[in-house]
Amino acid sequence: GAVVSQHPSRVICKSGTSVKIECRSLDFQATTMFWYRQFPKKSLMLMATSNEGSKATYEQGVEKDKFLINHASLTLSTLTVTSAHPEDSSFYICSASLRTSGEQFFGPGTRLTVL
Amino acid sequence: RKEVEQDPGPFNVPEGATVAFNCTYSNSASQSFFWYRQDCRKEPKLLMSVYSSGNEDGRFTAQLNRASQYISLLIRDSKLSDSATYLCVVNSGAGTYKYIFGTGTRLKVLA
Repeated sequence: GAVVSQHPSRVICKSGTSVKIECRSLDFQATTMFWYRQFPKKSLMLMATSNEGSKATYEQGVEKDKFLINHASLTLSTLTVTSAHPEDSSFYICSASLRTSGEQFFGPGTRLTVL
Repeated sequence: RKEVEQDPGPFNVPEGATVAFNCTYSNSASQSFFWYRQDCRKEPKLLMSVYSSGNEDGRFTAQLNRASQYISLLIRDSKLSDSATYLCVVNSGAGTYKYIFGTGTRLKVLA
């Protein structure tokens, strides 16, 4: 299957700092990438849909100025959590979608802990 | 009503048992259905897609009932390694690749 990488896998930062997470599709081109967040014992919640070369589409309740998404190429999307606070601590997972089938392949996730 | 609902479990079953999970979805326009498996603190991995006619992959059988808007997953001859959370996933409507995840059903297979 297609491979998606995420970097970093784990981040611990102080409150108020910004954190950038990268999502890469390694062996295919993904016109669409998705960003999810998962709190402990909860479901994955879609935060935004990232389309290459255009602005991301955010889900209701997700602040676009706080969660900046850039999808500059067909293999890379980045999520920046600006001015992170402890309530932003979560498991952030990206996925990349095959253009032909729409099937999503997930990255290994980034565990963010804000102190 | 949640868009995708699952019994959170946990389902504790002995090795070799057969176990079934159900999932209901609310959007009748959904066209793509999947079961994903998620291990603790890991990303979800596709277990199988679910087709209208039902499909089987080894010990796993998935069924779709469009009229009642539910999906099922049957696991036969459970193994210890089947212990995980099983996520029901539905696309959010016709022609869209957006996925809606259920909260997952936790399975523990006991020796």
